[in-house]
Amino acid sequence: GAVVSQHPSWVICKSGTSVKIECRSLDFQATTMFWYRQFPKQSLMLMATSNEGSKATYEQGVEKDKFLINHASLTLSTLTVTSAHPEDSSFYICSAAGLAGITQYFGPGTRLTVL
Amino acid sequence: AQSVTQLDSQVPVFEEAPVELRCNYSSSVSVYLFWYVQYPNQGLQLLLKYLSGSTLVKGINGFEAEFNKSQTSFHLRKPSVHISDTAEYFCAVSDRRGNSGGSNYKLTFGKGTLLTVNP
Repeated sequence: GAVVSQHPSWVICKSGTSVKIECRSLDFQATTMFWYRQFPKQSLMLMATSNEGSKATYEQGVEKDKFLINHASLTLSTLTVTSAHPEDSSFYICSAAGLAGITQYFGPGTRLTVL
Repeated sequence: AQSVTQLDSQVPVFEEAPVELRCNYSSSVSVYLFWYVQYPNQGLQLLLKYLSGSTLVKGINGFEAEFNKSQTSFHLRKPSVHISDTAEYFCAVSDRRGNSGGSNYKLTFGKGTLLTVNP
């Protein structure tokens, strides 16, 4: 149980284009989803927290207009990187927490490369 | 605010040897504690967690951890490692107050410990 999927697993795009990453909880309802960014050989950096049906809460220093998050249902959250640039290249990981919200279950990650 | 310190960035061991990965935390409030494992180019997998009750927690793949409140530690142990245990291990804490404390149970991660098991 507690499986989280992400799609796509990797994506290459041109600078200036937008990329959407999906995060789905497959066997449970996720009241809260989190989006992280991970640079090579580093820990995870929380970008934002989203509760179903509410606006996402962004961490300090994360541009909300650049990283659009939508959590429209209890099983799906999306992260859209708008007008992507090479510095946005990274490993993006989502996690989902169930009703109690205490334990986060992570997706497999999405490798974004912006050329 | 919370912080997590993983004292060793790299731990090399031989196959079938015991291993301990150290984790200390600081927090002004009570916390929940977690260990996650990350294999190359993959997401994080939950190894084990301490929420309440017995301070010795058993997880998947033969790992266990002990919560020591007085030493604010949550060290991860395995009595005999396998080559397949080679991975990055992250210790994390979250605020017990959760939504009432405005944290949404956000996780604070350590910097990770790379466990390398050699034949």
